[in-house]
Amino acid sequence: EDKVVQSPLSLVVHEGDTVTLNCSYEVTNFRSLLWYKQEKKAPTFLFMLTSSGIEKKSGRLSSILDKKELFSILNITATQTGDSAVYLCAVDLKGTYKYIFGTGTRLKVLA
Amino acid sequence: SAVISQKPSRDICQRGTSLTIQCQVDSQVTMMFWYRQQPGQSLTLIATANQGSEATYESGFVIDKFPISRPNLTFSTLTVSNMSPEDSSIYLCSVSQDTEAFFGQGTRLTVV
Repeated sequence: EDKVVQSPLSLVVHEGDTVTLNCSYEVTNFRSLLWYKQEKKAPTFLFMLTSSGIEKKSGRLSSILDKKELFSILNITATQTGDSAVYLCAVDLKGTYKYIFGTGTRLKVLA
Repeated sequence: SAVISQKPSRDICQRGTSLTIQCQVDSQVTMMFWYRQQPGQSLTLIATANQGSEATYESGFVIDKFPISRPNLTFSTLTVSNMSPEDSSIYLCSVSQDTEAFFGQGTRLTVV
């Protein structure tokens, strides 16, 4: 059965800290891995990763994929209270257009 | 990128009633997806809606409980039927473009 597992489930940090969120997957027909930030209802897109070892970066956020070890990490440096959200990892399956979502990591950044 | 308008954004419903959620996309898409997110949980795919054919339901979801319509390539509805408090969730519609998923704003449903 295809599955995506995220860790930790929740995290509380202080502003300025750096956090690393983990996503591991076991799926057939992997196409890409996506990270989303969910603050209220609708997830918003952060990154899409298809190739191993190539870091994607956007401001204080960065992410990398390891297709050999089947995991990805999302790093957030110099965290701010506005980073408080649930971060979702999803795997896109080739040939099905389906996304398998992980359980999410709930991040709370304290001022 | 696709823009999806979903409504209602929230509703409080009596048990035993039904609610229909609508999603309108600003471009034509082959498939639309309906997800449920129960409190504290991740997104679970309910079904895939194709235009011109019956929706394809995931394990644990049935058409009688979650009937879906897909009358054209830009619109879909999901009905949550005969609701119980266990149906209290966020419901999201989604489309896929260039392997990226785009989401509607979500419907927060509370069943009392």
